[in-house]
Amino acid sequence: GENVEQHPSTLSVQEGDSAVIKCTYSDSASNYFPWYKQELGKRPQLIIDIRSNVGEKKDQRIAVTLNKTAKHFSLHITETQPEDSAVYFCASYTGTASKLTFGTGTRLQVTL
Amino acid sequence: DTAVSQTPKYLVTQMGNDKSIKCEQNLGHDTMYWYKQDSKKFLKIMFSYNNKELIINETVPNRFSPKSPDKAHLNLHINSLELGDSAVYFCASSQRRELFFGEGSRLTVL
Repeated sequence: GENVEQHPSTLSVQEGDSAVIKCTYSDSASNYFPWYKQELGKRPQLIIDIRSNVGEKKDQRIAVTLNKTAKHFSLHITETQPEDSAVYFCASYTGTASKLTFGTGTRLQVTL
Repeated sequence: DTAVSQTPKYLVTQMGNDKSIKCEQNLGHDTMYWYKQDSKKFLKIMFSYNNKELIINETVPNRFSPKSPDKAHLNLHINSLELGDSAVYFCASSQRRELFFGEGSRLTVL
C-alpha cells in the first residue's frame, strides 16, 4: 500500500521566516496531494492541495510543489506568523484504493 | 450549522467496557470515514463507507465495528476496550477527495 514519509517532525522558525515541510510517497498511481493544518485541540482542515498534472500551486503565503518523477512534494510557508503554529499533515490519494494516506505530521512553532 | 458532528466529545471509561461514538454529516457527501489519532498525532484511517457500503477496512481489531444506517451517519462501536484504544477518533466525510473532519472524540481508557 501507499507509504507517505514527512520531514521534519518538528520545525521552529522565527516570525517572518519561511518554513518548508517535505513529503515523499511510494505509489506512482497517487494523483492528489493535500495539506492539512491541525491547530491544538482542533480538527485537521485542508489548507491547500495539488493534483498530479500540476507542478506548483500558490495561495497567498503558502505554496506547494510536486515532483512526480521523484515522488516528492513540499509545503512552503513564507512570512510566517504566530497563527501558523500548528501540526501540518501531508497526504497522498490513491484512486485505485480510494484512500487518503497521511504523513506523520510536522509540528511547526513560530516564535516571536 | 456544523457540517460533520460527532458525539460525545469526551469519553472516559474503564478497560473492558463497550462504548459507541456517533457521527453525522449534513454535507450530502457519499463517503464517510473513521480515523484514529494517537498520542503522537499520527492519523490512521480505520474504516471508510460509501453510500452505506464498507469500502475500506484497515487492519483494525474486530472489537471495532462501524455501522452506517444511512449515508449521513457513521457510528463506531468498540467492545472490550483496552488501554491502547485511548486516542482521538475523528469522523470525516468527502464527496470527491477533500476530507471534512468532525471535531473529534477523545477516548480515555483507564
